[in-house]
Amino acid sequence: DAKTTQPTSMDCAEGRAANLPCNHSTISGNEYVYWYRQIHSQGPQYIIHGLKNNETNEMASLIITEDRKSSTLILPHATLRDTAVYYCIVRVRSNNNDMRFGAGTRLTVKP
Amino acid sequence: GAGVSQSPRYKVAKRGQDVALRCDPISGHVSLFWYQQALGQGPEFLTYFQNEAQLDKSGLPSDRFFAERPEGSVSTLKIQRTQQEDSAVYLCASRPQGSMAEAFFGQGTRLTVV
Repeated sequence: DAKTTQPTSMDCAEGRAANLPCNHSTISGNEYVYWYRQIHSQGPQYIIHGLKNNETNEMASLIITEDRKSSTLILPHATLRDTAVYYCIVRVRSNNNDMRFGAGTRLTVKP
Repeated sequence: GAGVSQSPRYKVAKRGQDVALRCDPISGHVSLFWYQQALGQGPEFLTYFQNEAQLDKSGLPSDRFFAERPEGSVSTLKIQRTQQEDSAVYLCASRPQGSMAEAFFGQGTRLTVV
């Protein structure tokens, strides 16, 4: 599975959009981009995933560049409860095996 | 409840003691994963089961770590002769049949070896 690079930490004002970048320059054609988040003292929680098209669900939007070498997770109206570590993971979806987590981005939403 | 359940939630062990950590996956989920998460780090893969078969144990750090899932549902992660470097949160995740679905994580067991 391709490796990802994320900033160590970011801040965001409550009510504003939080844009979390992820670089995955070695991604291959059959690898998907997944995002999970981990709120303090909880297990990781699935947010969204995509292959090449932009995706949106009730939690977030995922924007993937045309060359697929990077992506951005967007939380449109961040709340204090969105404070968490956000993990960007790239994996082959047909692979039944695990996901490999990096260190993620620690997002702090401030009032 | 409908989620992945792990017990105990917290465990303090004396160095050299054996421990057993339990994971109750979501009913019907075929795949089960164990991860180890050190303080301030992302989860590190330990092992993976599909039903009762342990298909990948490449992440187990030593032969003191052993995992089983004898009936394809509940899983136990056992650590023998615990050492201080084993102190971490141990996370369990389960996933339905096929990789098209996403993984659901438990809250983890925080193991502290003193």
